[in-house]
Amino acid sequence: AQSVTQPDIHITVSEGASLELRCNYSYGATPYLFWYVQSPGQGLQLLLKYFSGDTLVQGIKGFEAEFKRSQSSFNLRKPSVHWSDAAEYFCAVGALAGKSTFGDGTTLTVKP
Amino acid sequence: GAVVSQHPSWVICKSGTSVKIECRSLDFQATTMFWYRQFPKQSLMLMATSNEGSKATYEQGVEKDKFLINHASLTLSTLTVTSAHPEDSSFYICSARGHEQETQYFGPGTRLLVL
Repeated sequence: AQSVTQPDIHITVSEGASLELRCNYSYGATPYLFWYVQSPGQGLQLLLKYFSGDTLVQGIKGFEAEFKRSQSSFNLRKPSVHWSDAAEYFCAVGALAGKSTFGDGTTLTVKP
Repeated sequence: GAVVSQHPSWVICKSGTSVKIECRSLDFQATTMFWYRQFPKQSLMLMATSNEGSKATYEQGVEKDKFLINHASLTLSTLTVTSAHPEDSSFYICSARGHEQETQYFGPGTRLLVL
């Protein structure tokens, strides 16, 4: 069975500081990995995805994530956080034409 | 591209009534649609998967007679909460995926409050 763990429930960073959100997954084959962002009362917006190829993927809003098979991780990073980045972030693992499994989410708070 | 809409965005109803939520893919054909439920400060819980023209596949523990899902066209799926009760109050989110695509695109969600 596939599963996703986001170890950090809540992270607070100062505006302009760098950010890393952790994601570990369990999956029997090569996973399809996703990061989504959710603002309060909204649906989920896809930030980036990894299917194959280059293990460092670039996404929207200046986010990037690195797939590390040996560590079963897909951590999300941003070099300089903006106040508008405050939101809930979900990591997900899935398969082609299959279901996705979501982590419990990490709440990001940005201090001015 | 890849826009998914939901209607209504929020609804308040009396206990015992039924509520229908629509999910539409606006610029692509969604062969598969997913319905999720999200409680405050929690992750998404998959309720069911629907493929166009087929019966929905419900996750374990989800009452199929309670949550009726119809996916009659490639751009529309509906979720009907029948005989709603206060414990059905939640945020319902749909997502849609095209044929042989890996990425789900999410709607903005529908907040249901049952009084």
